[in-house]
Amino acid sequence: DIQMTQSPSSLSASVGDRITITCRTSQTISSYLNWYQEKLGTAPKLLIYAASSLQTGVPSRFSGSGSGTDFTLTISSLQPDDFASYYCQQSYSTPITFGQGTRLEIK
Amino acid sequence: QVQLQESGPGLVKPSETLSLTCTVSGGSISSFYWSWIRQPPGKGLEWIAFFYYNGSPSSNPSLNSRLTISGDTSKNQFSLRLNSVTAADTAVYYCARLQMGGSYGAGAFDIWGQGTTVTVSS
Repeated sequence: DIQMTQSPSSLSASVGDRITITCRTSQTISSYLNWYQEKLGTAPKLLIYAASSLQTGVPSRFSGSGSGTDFTLTISSLQPDDFASYYCQQSYSTPITFGQGTRLEIK
Repeated sequence: QVQLQESGPGLVKPSETLSLTCTVSGGSISSFYWSWIRQPPGKGLEWIAFFYYNGSPSSNPSLNSRLTISGDTSKNQFSLRLNSVTAADTAVYYCARLQMGGSYGAGAFDIWGQGTTVTVSS
């Protein structure tokens, strides 16, 4: 199985801050990496697919980059609605695996 | 627009079988891949399986000895059966559409149901 390691596991930030979350995979996965946002009590929402493509309807302050084994999700200017948990997911091979999540909290 | 809705018992006894159904509206299950994902309380997401309506399902090796996935095109539904459940199977279970191919590469879960909580307890 491909192991996914996200960092940090939690992060405190303020509205307007620029933040970056990192996802590292245990083997190369090309660009087969997706990012999701999950708010308490609701289903995850796809933000970024194929490492850097913005899902339709997702604000442009979200961006993704990386390939191989190292990937990042960046939020350029945090908005109140962005405080949530974020997960990376690889679809390079089965079993499909997710990172353990990053909880983004208001400072 | 496509919407998914999970249904099934919220409480299952240990050693029994967990059965869930996902009803798809606004689109046909014959057109995409479909998946089940779960999230134990306070933990991360775990992929369970995906399938295409006329193909063999692909499932997580950690579960596939206990798992049955099927689809019913006449009802536009797909189902999950997990037998011999234990407390470790307690989770929120989601069904989701899996976009595969093209710019989505090897797959991204682009539409999710709201999730259903299943507790395994006597």
